[in-house]
Amino acid sequence: NAGVMQNPRHLVRRRGQEARLRCSPMKGHSHVYWYRQLPEEGLKFMVYLQKENIIDESGMPKERFSAEFPKEGPSILRIQQVVRGDSAAYFCASSRTGFNQPQHFGDGTRLSIL
Amino acid sequence: GESVGLHLPTLSVQEGDNSIINCAYSNSASDYFIWYKQESGKGPQFIIDIRSNMDKRQGQRVTVLLNKTVKHLSLQIAATQPGDSAVYFCAELTRGGSEKLVFGKGTKLTVNP
Repeated sequence: NAGVMQNPRHLVRRRGQEARLRCSPMKGHSHVYWYRQLPEEGLKFMVYLQKENIIDESGMPKERFSAEFPKEGPSILRIQQVVRGDSAAYFCASSRTGFNQPQHFGDGTRLSIL
Repeated sequence: GESVGLHLPTLSVQEGDNSIINCAYSNSASDYFIWYKQESGKGPQFIIDIRSNMDKRQGQRVTVLLNKTVKHLSLQIAATQPGDSAVYFCAELTRGGSEKLVFGKGTKLTVNP
């Protein structure tokens, strides 16, 4: 059973470029969540998606950040015009039903902005 | 601000001892709690969960205790092993809201041989 798969594991971008982070949930899971983690801190919720729908994006910055979970293919977190402050580890999690079920995490994408 | 916090940022124990990691939460509407273990360079790994209608749940070598009166959660690890060294996070899910987990900052557990 493959777990949550994220790629790339490491991503380096220059200021002003775009970053695209991908997440394939566990088999049978249709609920996806994105979290951000700074060093020595806990994870902070960004967005919750089901297939083709954004359920809760209250943790997403209003500008430059967007997320999607299309009918086919992985969920994508996109950051446009990246700035140094976007450097962080971005984790994706998935759950089967989205209701009081454990969320299972991938190993993250470490984004570094030069 | 964060509604989930931890009493101790670091904990050091001897191999074979029992470990207790504590967590305080402030949202009385939270009804589902999860403990995660995070090793360096990896994502959080599910350890054990507990719902608010329970006060204790046991897994393999781990026990979670929930005290809703004082809004306190603890993770007990029996016979701690070097492989248990990691950062441990508690996370809560609030009833009626979106299914987003609120994480504390974590406790770093170091197991000395």
